[in-house]
Amino acid sequence: EPEVTQTPSHQVTQMGQEVILRCVPISNHLYFYWYRQILGQKVEFLVSFYNNEISEKSEIFDDQFSVERPDGSNFTLKIRSTKLEDSAMYFCASSRDRAEETQYFGPGTRLLVL
Amino acid sequence: GQQLNQSPQSMFIQEGEDVSMNCTSSSIFNTWLWYKQDPGEGPVLLIALYKAGELTSNGRLTAQFGITRKDSFLNISASIPSDVGIYFCAGPLQGGSEKLVFGKGTKLTVNP
Repeated sequence: EPEVTQTPSHQVTQMGQEVILRCVPISNHLYFYWYRQILGQKVEFLVSFYNNEISEKSEIFDDQFSVERPDGSNFTLKIRSTKLEDSAMYFCASSRDRAEETQYFGPGTRLLVL
Repeated sequence: GQQLNQSPQSMFIQEGEDVSMNCTSSSIFNTWLWYKQDPGEGPVLLIALYKAGELTSNGRLTAQFGITRKDSFLNISASIPSDVGIYFCAGPLQGGSEKLVFGKGTKLTVNP
C-alpha cells in the first residue's frame, strides 16, 4: 500500500541553524500538508500546499518557515533559524483531493533544537 | 474556533475487553476521522466517516458519525495488546478549510 515517507527520522540541531525536513507524499496525491506535535500535545496544523503554492497556513507558520516542492516527488519544510520551541515531531501528510478530505500521514521527523 | 473534545483521556483495560471512546464538538463537522498513533510514529488512519449517522467498521473497530454532526464514537471489540496507543479524532474545519483539527487523544493501555 502506498505511504508517505519522511526523512530524516531524527534531527538534532543547534538553535539558530536552518533545517530542512523532507517528505515524499503518496504519488497520485495533489494536496500536501505539514503538521507538528509538541511532546505530549495534540497534532497541530502548520500549512497546506496545492498546485505549487501555499493554500492555507496557521499562525504558527511564520516567516521562519517555508515549504517547497522542488521536483515531482519531494515536499520540504524549511525552518530558517530554529528556536528551542521548534522542538517537536513534524508530520507530513497528503490527500488525493480536497473533496475526499482524508489525509494520510508520514511517520514523522523528530526535531530537537539545543 | 472549532475544538474537538475527546473522552476519556486515558483508559486501562484487560485484554479481551471492549472499549468505547468518543469525540464531541460544539461545532458541526462534515467529516470525522479516527487515527491511531503509536509512540514515535505518525497518525495512522483507522476509519473515515463522511455522512451523519454513518456507521463504519474496520475489523474489530467500529465508528459512528453522530446524527447532529457534533460527535463521533469509536469502539474496539475484544481488545488485544497491540491496540495500545493514542487514538485521535480529527476533522476538517468548516468553510472549505483543508486544515485538520485534532482532539487531544485517548491513551489506551491494554493489560495482557
